[in-house]
Amino acid sequence: GAVVSQHPSRVICKSGTSVKIECRSLDFQATTMFWYRQFPKQSLMLMATSNEGSKATYEQGVEKDKFLINHASLTLSTLTVTSAHPEDSSFYICSARDGTVNTEAFFGQGTRLTVV
Amino acid sequence: DAKTTQPNSMESNEEEPVHLPCNHSTISGTDYIHWYRQLPSQGPEYVIHGLTSNVNNRMASLAIAEDRKSSTLILHRATLRDAAVYYCILRDSSNTGKLIFGQGTTLQVKP
Repeated sequence: GAVVSQHPSRVICKSGTSVKIECRSLDFQATTMFWYRQFPKQSLMLMATSNEGSKATYEQGVEKDKFLINHASLTLSTLTVTSAHPEDSSFYICSARDGTVNTEAFFGQGTRLTVV
Repeated sequence: DAKTTQPNSMESNEEEPVHLPCNHSTISGTDYIHWYRQLPSQGPEYVIHGLTSNVNNRMASLAIAEDRKSSTLILHRATLRDAAVYYCILRDSSNTGKLIFGQGTTLQVKP
């Protein structure tokens, strides 16, 4: 099946710094990518939808200035957590699909962010 | 977004079949029913999806009720590696195709 790769898999950063997470589709062109956040023992929460070459669409309650999303190419989307605080510590997961809406979605392996 | 309802948890014995139910009474005519599972500390993994007819693949079978208001994911012979959280999701039929996750069913498989 198609592969979506996230990097890094784990990151620890100091409070107040910014962290960038990359999401790459390795063997298909991802016109749309999705970013999720998951707290312990909870389900995935959709943060935003990004389309290649256009601005991301953020879900209600997600601060677009804090979670910067860039989808500059058909194989790469990045999520930057700016001015990270301990409450931003979470498991961040990206998902990608090709141009067809009703095919399966492919997920990255997730990035564990710890802000100290 | 149309919602789904799943039991919080289920148990199964290894090598026995498992039937994971999902209710989606507000499903629209163009919503696909998707199933994903998530192992601890990993991203979700696609299992199966369907629209109206029952579907089979190497991982599982999906049985869809005639009125489409419910569906059942069937694992024919559970293994310990099938222990995971299983999510039943109605795929947004708008152009975005985003997946909205509910709480899912945590499946325990006993040896």
